[in-house]
Amino acid sequence: EVQLVESGGGLVQPGGSLRLSCAASGFTFSSYWMSWVRQAPGKGLEWVANIKEDGSEKYYVDSVKGRFTISRDNAKNSLYLQMNSLRAEDTAVYYCARVGQQLETFYFQHWGQGTLVTVSS
Amino acid sequence: SYVLTQPPSVSVAPGKTARITCGGNNIGSKSVHWYQQKPGQAPVLVIYYDSDRPSGIPERFSGSNSGNTATLTISRVEAGDEADYYCQVWDSSSDPNYVFGTGTKVTVL
Repeated sequence: EVQLVESGGGLVQPGGSLRLSCAASGFTFSSYWMSWVRQAPGKGLEWVANIKEDGSEKYYVDSVKGRFTISRDNAKNSLYLQMNSLRAEDTAVYYCARVGQQLETFYFQHWGQGTLVTVSS
Repeated sequence: SYVLTQPPSVSVAPGKTARITCGGNNIGSKSVHWYQQKPGQAPVLVIYYDSDRPSGIPERFSGSNSGNTATLTISRVEAGDEADYYCQVWDSSSDPNYVFGTGTKVTVL
């Protein structure tokens, strides 16, 4: 069974930093693209970042470029999101997701339970 | 960036059929994926590649996509289907590439 378990969320002041982790199990982690998707309170879903199987390619939504860094450790079956210079608008539940691919389309096959990040003074 | 528009809410009686639309410019040329999100829970993929169902998703869930509208259809609606539903596409020419719809709240009367 595929399992994705996020951790590392919490309350942080504006301008602060936080590192999210996602522990994966139940599948060959190194064979899949992985993503972070967030959801602000009462709002819809927003893709944040994704990373290729071997970590060689990384992509970000414009609003987090230069502030967030996605990474992975295939030996530890883990995905990370380093978040710096946090803003109030980064407040959201952050989900780790395994990316599925079919021909030339990508989607989110499995999701973790999410971890809440609150940016507030 | 590419925009996907969904109705904010859909209401349906138990046992009836719910249809949730997802509008986008020439969306029929793209592959559409659908997620169900119940209150306080993570999203779950219910339809991918327009009309394929992941294992464990009931046959009551089906999808179609043509022209400027994709549709998620839930037949024989049950109380447990009450949730928010989001469509999503991957568009290589859009920034960002991953685009979600605005979401639809399905209420079972």
